[in-house]
Amino acid sequence: AQTVTQSQPEMSVQEAETVTLSCTYDTSENNYYLFWYKQPPSRQMILVIRQEAYKQQNATENRFSVNFQKAAKSFSLKISDSQLGDTAMYFCAFIDFGNEKLTFGTGTRLTIIP
Amino acid sequence: NAGVMQNPRHLVRRRGQEARLRCSPMKGHSHVYWYRQLPEEGLKFMVYLQKENIIDESGMPKERFSAEFPKEGPSILRIQQVVRGDSAAYFCASSRTQETQYFGPGTRLLVL
Repeated sequence: AQTVTQSQPEMSVQEAETVTLSCTYDTSENNYYLFWYKQPPSRQMILVIRQEAYKQQNATENRFSVNFQKAAKSFSLKISDSQLGDTAMYFCAFIDFGNEKLTFGTGTRLTIIP
Repeated sequence: NAGVMQNPRHLVRRRGQEARLRCSPMKGHSHVYWYRQLPEEGLKFMVYLQKENIIDESGMPKERFSAEFPKEGPSILRIQQVVRGDSAAYFCASSRTQETQYFGPGTRLLVL
């Protein structure tokens, strides 16, 4: 069974700083996708970024980028120039080819301090 | 292009009543998924449906819970005879193909 582990329950950084959220996963599959979702106080689940396991290049979306280390089964999220609106729960998630279920980690609560 | 729609956003039920949660997928999406989020936890998969078919219900409790996605209309998650432990946020997601799932705003169910 796939598992996703987020070892940082809470983090806080000053506005404009860079922060990295950690995620590791366990799978025996070779083809899969990884995601970071953001859940702000409104509790809406918002897709932040997606990585295909077969791509060596790390995904980037504006201030958000990932460090995907397939051999280490690690998928960290870097937020540059953090903003107050980045305050939210961040969930790492995994889905493999042929399986329709997203498996989520337990989340990291990120607070951006003014 | 409207996103995934869920209603109601908040639902209060007394123990023993029925709860019906609705989800309309994004336009062009034929895959619908339901997840449950208990307080202070991540989302847990419940069921995956395509039009008129349940594909995977391995995360759904065997009793009291059912889901459908009819040919016409929204997907429905139905909880019969609700108990306090059913209080949670229920999220629907949709996708065009297997890959990226887009989530609705969720329905917060409170059982008194």
